[in-house]
Amino acid sequence: DTGVSQNPRHKITKRGQNVTFRCDPISEHNRLYWYRQTLGQGPEFLTYFQNEAQLEKSRLLSDRFSAERPKGSFSTLEIQRTEQGDSAMYLCASSLAESFNEQFFGPGTRLTVL
Amino acid sequence: DAKTTQPTSMDCAEGRAANLPCNHSTISGNEYVYWYRQIHSQGPQYIIHGLKNNETNEMASLIITEDRKSSTLILPHATLRDTAVYYCIVPPRLTSNTGKLIFGQGTTLQVKP
Repeated sequence: DTGVSQNPRHKITKRGQNVTFRCDPISEHNRLYWYRQTLGQGPEFLTYFQNEAQLEKSRLLSDRFSAERPKGSFSTLEIQRTEQGDSAMYLCASSLAESFNEQFFGPGTRLTVL
Repeated sequence: DAKTTQPTSMDCAEGRAANLPCNHSTISGNEYVYWYRQIHSQGPQYIIHGLKNNETNEMASLIITEDRKSSTLILPHATLRDTAVYYCIVPPRLTSNTGKLIFGQGTTLQVKP
């Protein structure tokens, strides 16, 4: 399968703990995006990378959130000191730079903060 | 971004055509219309996009009105697997476009046997 993969698929954690999610994009895609989706809502943009450079961050991405794409391939999204409001589906997508609106999404990581 | 308006929900009989409307009356001349869908418990899936001509691919057809203020996504022979939330998106055409997709509430399409 050469699609976008995300791990883990589910994560349950206690409030105050740190969590890290991983996204492996389609190999030739140089753009990678993170979105967050809460129940009943459409996905909301968090941040994106072109190769290893993080080029935009949403105001939704508080200072407890950090994303990296160290070698321009896989990416990680870390949430520090999780809060119950962080409970959501975290979606990763990738695309070619020249067709950035045709994004391929992974299955998501569902985070539950108790 | 050009604001889009879609009905909250629609039903369609299996095997019939599903016609999903979208209003985007503030669209600019060089902005495209994109459609994505999200099947339950999956990530969104790109379907089709267009500028002003009608477009067709293996998944669907996209009809854009001449004034470009609205469009219709057509699934010609809906199946139960087409039950999903369908999003109409008009990304801004900026010189440094991020590819930041803004999803609204979408239309929940329920295909019934």
